[in-house]
Amino acid sequence: DAGVIQSPRHEVTEMGQEVTLRCKPISGHDYLFWYRQTMMRGLELLIYFNNNVPIDDSGMPEDRFSAKMPNASFSTLKIQPSEPRDSAVYFCASSLWGEQFFGPGTRLTVL
Amino acid sequence: AQTVTQSQPEMSVQEAETVTLSCTYDTSESDYYLFWYKQPPSRQMILVIRQEAYKQQNATENRFSVNFQKAAKSFSLKISDSQLGDAAMYFCAYRRAGNNRKLIWGLGTSLAVNP
Repeated sequence: DAGVIQSPRHEVTEMGQEVTLRCKPISGHDYLFWYRQTMMRGLELLIYFNNNVPIDDSGMPEDRFSAKMPNASFSTLKIQPSEPRDSAVYFCASSLWGEQFFGPGTRLTVL
Repeated sequence: AQTVTQSQPEMSVQEAETVTLSCTYDTSESDYYLFWYKQPPSRQMILVIRQEAYKQQNATENRFSVNFQKAAKSFSLKISDSQLGDAAMYFCAYRRAGNNRKLIWGLGTSLAVNP
């Protein structure tokens, strides 16, 4: 089975633009997580879903960030409008039991 | 609140030698899980090893083993016969048992392997 798939792998955009990051979890996994990683703040959990329902979004930094999971095989993280401080690597991970399996990440640069 | 502390921001080891990375955590729970993840320069997060708190036996995966001291709330990772490919950031993580799947992460230890 393929691992967690994320797209795009790299995104460069200008401040104020909308950014959409995509994730396909491992088939059969019922939990999905979105993380952000920066040098300054380390690895931060933004939101996670169980069976497509958001469970904890307390890590979402502000209203500019939104996440959806319309079905068990797809999730999006949207930033609108983007700001330079949003530059980071964004990871998606999925889980069935205890451990989480991570995608390769999306490196976002906001100019 | 649960916290995870990795007190060694950077470490180095000679190839073929053994190195131990430390991790301590704080929790009032009795049932939980602990993990070590590896993040090489490719930035892919890779699960190295997991430990269930109810198990007294230390987990082992090939050259990787843990020293789990529940009373001391310590969960160190030992890498034996270090290889150049072991060079990476290593993160310790904690999760409560049950439906709360949120991982609490340490800040990581950067491991360099010298040839």
